[in-house]
Amino acid sequence: GENVEQHPSTLSVQEGDSAVIKCTYSDSASNYFPWYKQELGKRPQLIIDIRSNVGEKKDQRIAVTLNKTAKHFSLHITETQPEDSAVYFCAARFTGTASKLTFGTGTRLQVTL
Amino acid sequence: DTAVSQTPKYLVTQMGNDKSIKCEQNLGHDTMYWYKQDSKKFLKIMFSYNNKELIINETVPNRFSPKSPDKAHLNLHINSLELGDSAVYFCASSDVGTGRNSPLHFGNGTRLTVT
Repeated sequence: GENVEQHPSTLSVQEGDSAVIKCTYSDSASNYFPWYKQELGKRPQLIIDIRSNVGEKKDQRIAVTLNKTAKHFSLHITETQPEDSAVYFCAARFTGTASKLTFGTGTRLQVTL
Repeated sequence: DTAVSQTPKYLVTQMGNDKSIKCEQNLGHDTMYWYKQDSKKFLKIMFSYNNKELIINETVPNRFSPKSPDKAHLNLHINSLELGDSAVYFCASSDVGTGRNSPLHFGNGTRLTVT
């Protein structure tokens, strides 16, 4: 079935360090993988996405890598800042479900001073 | 000029009551959704409508009935509310037609508390 696993569930890093969040998905034909950031009491907001024809994408301090063979993708945040503290969700769009995103279980990132 | 707006923001009600949440998007998207986020922050899709047509119904109890009067609006009516319905409900929209697969845009959420 359609499944997205996300690890770790919580992550604490010191300001300036890097943070990595990993996700695996079940359908090898999945073609779209977005990442959302949800601050406390707010709505999830898209921060970066990647499509299956690309292996890596970067936007300033944020990068996403995709390994289609292993069916996993990762979010990398470099030079973390306190405002990066939030819950991060990965998601995947599975084949045949063009309008449905399946979300991972979320990672609570805490950036400490 | 909010892209996806939902009302109310907070909803506190007693068990057994019936309540509605409204959602509107001004992005011109063809698809709208309801997602439920529970206390553990899990985001689960409930329904999806494409151009007013129901295309996803994720084994949600019959007490939940979505209605889409037009492609810019998707409302959620909940009958006989139960304690377990307490959660944050997010409306979202995206543009799916002809393979565009645009990202999901979420509303600000409705925090439903059933007492």
